[in-house]
Amino acid sequence: AQRVTQPEKLLSVFKGAPVELKCNYSYSGSPELFWYVQYSRQRLQLLLRHISRESIKGFTADLNKGETSFHLKKPFAQEEDSAMYYCALSAYTGTASKLTFGTGTRLQVTL
Amino acid sequence: ETGVTQSPTHLIKTRGQQVTLRCSSQSGHNTVSWYQQALGQGPQFIFQYYREEENGRGNFPPRFSGLQFPNYSSELNVNALELDDSALYLCASSLGGRTYNEQFFGPGTRLTVL
Repeated sequence: AQRVTQPEKLLSVFKGAPVELKCNYSYSGSPELFWYVQYSRQRLQLLLRHISRESIKGFTADLNKGETSFHLKKPFAQEEDSAMYYCALSAYTGTASKLTFGTGTRLQVTL
Repeated sequence: ETGVTQSPTHLIKTRGQQVTLRCSSQSGHNTVSWYQQALGQGPQFIFQYYREEENGRGNFPPRFSGLQFPNYSSELNVNALELDDSALYLCASSLGGRTYNEQFFGPGTRLTVL
């Protein structure tokens, strides 16, 4: 069975400070990892996926298979980064591709 | 191109009742996945429909059932409602296939069971 752990419910940082949102996973297969974001009063949306290796809105995430981690990082936090962030793992069940989400971390960026 | 829509936005039911939630998929998508998000938790996979067939299910009892229609819209039905069914129900549409394709989420339906 797959599992995604986000140890922090809330992360509060000052504007301009570095951000690291932690995510650890357990999965016996080859994982496909994602970060989803939900801004206030908006729907859940994909932020980035590990296979694309893109930087979106200044965020990056590296898959570390040895540590089974997929931490989300940004060097300088902005106020507009305040949101709920979910780490998710995609598991192909043989018929369906389902997402397993962590419990989420609320990022609060203050002045 | 329209995004994923869900109806109703919220509703209140009592224990033992039945409820139907609706989802219209994004234009061009043939797969709909349903998730339950309890307060303070991440979304949990209920099931997925691909071309009108259920093709994957999470750890939910049979009283959670669904349908997908020829236009790829979908319904989630929950029978014999329990207090613990109170949650935000999300649907997500995508292009089906053997590899992961991005899932686009709707705004959700908030269900309260009293």
